[in-house]
Amino acid sequence: GENVEQHPSTLSVQEGDSAVIKCTYSDSASNYFPWYKQELGKRPQLIIDIRSNVGEKKDQRIAVTLNKTAKHFSLHITETQPEDSAVYFCAASINNAGNMLTFGGGTRLMVKP
Amino acid sequence: GAVVSQHPSWVICKSGTSVKIECRSLDFQATTMFWYRQFPKQSLMLMATSNEGSKATYEQGVEKDKFLINHASLTLSTLTVTSAHPEDSSFYICSARLFGLAGGPSYEQYFGPGTRLTVT
Repeated sequence: GENVEQHPSTLSVQEGDSAVIKCTYSDSASNYFPWYKQELGKRPQLIIDIRSNVGEKKDQRIAVTLNKTAKHFSLHITETQPEDSAVYFCAASINNAGNMLTFGGGTRLMVKP
Repeated sequence: GAVVSQHPSWVICKSGTSVKIECRSLDFQATTMFWYRQFPKQSLMLMATSNEGSKATYEQGVEKDKFLINHASLTLSTLTVTSAHPEDSSFYICSARLFGLAGGPSYEQYFGPGTRLTVT
């Protein structure tokens, strides 16, 4: 089955700096890669996603890049703000009838004011 | 749109009792829902895939007789933790997959707010 590795497990940055979180996946058939933000005790919220036919996608301060050959994808947050502090999860899935998401281990991002 | 609710948001029960958790898609139909379990400071672990009108598909290591799943309608799936024990204490989250514009399943999954189960 699919295996998703996520690094780093914790990340501390100064407000205004950029943050980068990286994930690798094992199944070359995976074609959908969402990123979720989860605040303590809350539900995961989809913040951005990318499909395998695209190499990069951007939404304001958030961008995701995908390297299908290397089987890795990354989340980039620019001009970080304290409210960006949360746990971020990457995931991978194959959009077939199952479409199960396999999650990475999570990254706890702390943005220091 | 694409709102998923869960009930209850938290529950405390005694060891040996059963607890039912409901997951509802409020403004869309979901033929497929997913149940996850999350321990503190850990990732989401898929427990089972719930399909409307058919039996759930359980992940390896998840006891289907202990975690009963019923997906009786296009907007409701239930997870019943039977004969709960303290080690079942966890955060249980469901998600639902949205049908796309063409009437087929889309990529996105939307999560419920979770249910915190504490077994004493």
